[in-house]
Amino acid sequence: DAGVIQSPRHEVTEMGQEVTLRCKPISGHNSLFWYRQTMMRGLELLIYFNNNVPIDDSGMPEDRFSAKMPNASFSTLKIQPSEPRDSAVYFCASSYRTQGLREKLFFGSGTQLSVL
Amino acid sequence: GQQLNQSPQSMFIQEGEDVSMNCTSSSIFNTWLWYKQEPGEGPVLLIALYKAGELTSNGRLTAQFGITRKDSFLNISASIPSDVGIYFCAGRNTDKLIFGTGTRLQVFP
Repeated sequence: DAGVIQSPRHEVTEMGQEVTLRCKPISGHNSLFWYRQTMMRGLELLIYFNNNVPIDDSGMPEDRFSAKMPNASFSTLKIQPSEPRDSAVYFCASSYRTQGLREKLFFGSGTQLSVL
Repeated sequence: GQQLNQSPQSMFIQEGEDVSMNCTSSSIFNTWLWYKQEPGEGPVLLIALYKAGELTSNGRLTAQFGITRKDSFLNISASIPSDVGIYFCAGRNTDKLIFGTGTRLQVFP
């Protein structure tokens, strides 16, 4: 049973370039989350979707960041233009969310982003 | 963003020893999850807790949902080298999961 799949695993780019991170959630899951992990700030929630609809994007740092979920099996996180301070590990996670709180979040392996 | 306080920040122990770590918050949570992260990988779910006072085991791991609903504890018994990693707690009270700052565990043979 495939878990959450992220690509690429590593991305090195130059400041000012556009970066697109991709995520395929676990089949059957209806919620998808994008997190960013840094040494200084730990794991931060950027945005999450429920049934492909963005529910809360209050964690998105700036307008340079955008996320889409065109269908239940695919999501992208885009940074345009990228800056060195965007360097971090970006995780996608998915869950099956129903009424009530018995939810388990499953993470992908992450994308290590380095902006030079 | 909001984070939970985890302690200790790091632990260096000998193989065979027991490990205890905890997570505290000023807010009440309805769910506590414990994750382990190894280098180059995403966090992996270890244990999920849904009721105050609940005690749940997963092999050598035991976690408890604090009675006050503001804390949770994770114990690892008889540690082994593959227990090395960063352990995160995560709490949920509405629709968002808030992560702790992590406890880095090193196990020496």
